[in-house]
Amino acid sequence: DAGVTQSPTHLIKTRGQQVTLRCSPKSGHDTVSWYQQALGQGPQFIFQYYEEEERQRGNFPDRFSGHQFPNYSSELNVNALLLGDSALYLCASSRARSSLGAFFGQGTRLTVV
Amino acid sequence: TQLLEQSPQFLSIQEGENLTVYCNSSSVFSSLQWYRQEPGEGPVLLVTVVTGGEVKKLKRLTFQFGDARKDSSLHITAAQPGDTGLYLCAGTVTGKLIFGQGTTLQVKP
Repeated sequence: DAGVTQSPTHLIKTRGQQVTLRCSPKSGHDTVSWYQQALGQGPQFIFQYYEEEERQRGNFPDRFSGHQFPNYSSELNVNALLLGDSALYLCASSRARSSLGAFFGQGTRLTVV
Repeated sequence: TQLLEQSPQFLSIQEGENLTVYCNSSSVFSSLQWYRQEPGEGPVLLVTVVTGGEVKKLKRLTFQFGDARKDSSLHITAAQPGDTGLYLCAGTVTGKLIFGQGTTLQVKP
């Protein structure tokens, strides 16, 4: 079992550019959530996808959008990048209606310069 | 707005000492998870607690969920340098995770 995989692991972008991050969930999981983690802080919930639809959204602007594909993999897109978007972006997968908890990928370190 | 307060934020101890990390909220959670995170890596799930009053043990780690499902604690017995890392508690609310700010633990040999 490969677990949750994210790509790329590191990325450097210029302010104003757009970025796409990718996530493959753990085998058997159908729900993907994205989190942003600033240095020294706990992760902040961005949004969650289930059955290819955004089910919940945290307090993030519309510049943050996503998609879930039929194979449950997911993408996070961020437009018009700001310096403050620099962070570790984490993908977590889980099974809907399961209390077993979420499993995280290794994250994508995004640096905006 | 649900908030999880973790304490202490930083802890530096000697190998062999015991420690407890607390996670408190005014909100009720359907479940609560504890994660350990290394620098530059994603959080690794340690345990999920679901039932109020539940106690789970994982080797030298003991996790407790409060009776009212609003708080939790993590106790480590005889800490080792390999326990060093960021410990995060996260409460489940309508399927999403609300994280505390984390406790950075350093165990010196």
